[in-house]
Amino acid sequence: QSALTQPASVSGSPGQSITISCTGISSDVGGYNYVSWYQQHPGKAPKLMIYDVSNRPSGVSNRFSGSKSGNTASLTISGLQAEDEADYYCSSCTGTRGVVFGGGTKLTVL
Amino acid sequence: QLQLQESGPGLVKPSETLSLTCTVSGGSISTSNYYWGWIRQPPGKGLEWIGSIYYSGSTYYNPSLESRVTITVDTSKNQFSLKLSSVTVADTAVYYCARHARRGVIITGPFDWGQGTLVTVSS
Repeated sequence: QSALTQPASVSGSPGQSITISCTGISSDVGGYNYVSWYQQHPGKAPKLMIYDVSNRPSGVSNRFSGSKSGNTASLTISGLQAEDEADYYCSSCTGTRGVVFGGGTKLTVL
Repeated sequence: QLQLQESGPGLVKPSETLSLTCTVSGGSISTSNYYWGWIRQPPGKGLEWIGSIYYSGSTYYNPSLESRVTITVDTSKNQFSLKLSSVTVADTAVYYCARHARRGVIITGPFDWGQGTLVTVSS
């Protein structure tokens, strides 16, 4: 199974909105509404930010939102804050073949 | 509050077997709604799913690692374990244990993560 495709980096200024894409194929992202997004700060474990495409776990800011169209899922962060600077990863189920992650996107808050 | 804690040697020699254990606290590993998995992250690189196990022993493995990976579960100790054989320097990584949601025969997430443990492969 191939890794999902994410942009290597994105950037934005405080207060702006950014979107990170996650592209797969019909047998992973496109076939199921089971895309998750993770935030990872340096030296820390990933933290779940979005699950099942667009659901936020308790305690995650509503500035984070998710969506999907076809084989591409997206994470949008609105009202960028300095603390949002981190690496972001998507994951998707692959049917009965387990889970696959994206390559990761480094978000820089200018 | 669910907690997952990895344990095991931090240094493994090339060609040997890497062995790690994840201890689950704050919840039972023997629940029908979850799979328990291993994910790794080489230094400076992205996440790679290794495999996952159900409390009954049913497993999913990453096809690229399947020939070298064995994941087992010990419900009496609320633990699950990873063995990765014939390791090389390319297996140097932070290894995380995690909890996935189970949706029928599909696993999603993971939703909860351990803090991770660095395993270095070196002679």
